[in-house]
Amino acid sequence: GENVGLHLPTLSVQEGDNSIINCAYSNSASDYFIWYKQESGKGPQFIIDIRSNMDKRQGQRVTVLLNKTVKHLSLQIAATQPGDSAVYFCAERMDTGRRALTFGSGTRLQVQP
Amino acid sequence: DTEVTQTPKHLVMGMTNKKSLKCEQHMGHRAMYWYKQKAKKPPELMFVYSYEKLSINESVPSRFSPECPNSSLLNLHLHALQPEDSALYLCASSQLLETDTEAFFGQGTRLTVV
Repeated sequence: GENVGLHLPTLSVQEGDNSIINCAYSNSASDYFIWYKQESGKGPQFIIDIRSNMDKRQGQRVTVLLNKTVKHLSLQIAATQPGDSAVYFCAERMDTGRRALTFGSGTRLQVQP
Repeated sequence: DTEVTQTPKHLVMGMTNKKSLKCEQHMGHRAMYWYKQKAKKPPELMFVYSYEKLSINESVPSRFSPECPNSSLLNLHLHALQPEDSALYLCASSQLLETDTEAFFGQGTRLTVV
């Protein structure tokens, strides 16, 4: 795939503010989406998922929005905390055929105390 | 128990060595995965096993050889690797390949090829 560069896009927010992380997915045949959080030196950790028959799903302090028309996914984190600092990846899975997760390029979230 | 356990956590190997990475889960999951992750990049799929059978091989070089000896274990055998194979190798599992459920990831093995 294309090298998107050495630096991850970074979102810097103040503690207590709301964060919005965006993801453009590639395959219109994808029907299941997950947001993962990855802290330094650790494996990806599940945050929230959404199926293509939904456009919004809420968890504890997190909301995922899905816009299939423009193939866009977003993760909203309410009242961001320093512990939310990490790299966030969206992942998509196709409805048929290659049914394994494909990850987007990631966004680093930095929370300033 | 929602853990995927990977061993070793760190591995340094020479280009002529043979080593193995191990992954274990006891969640009853029948789909298991190997991903490779380079610094500042997303995980990239290497192999998928479903019911202990290889389901997907993402055109991975033969110096990487996966093995699924039973439903709880997944190995990745390494031989004659190159320095550019240095990366974080992540194992994951999910209930079934056919269902929309999350994949659980291990902490990874940080591999350095010298």
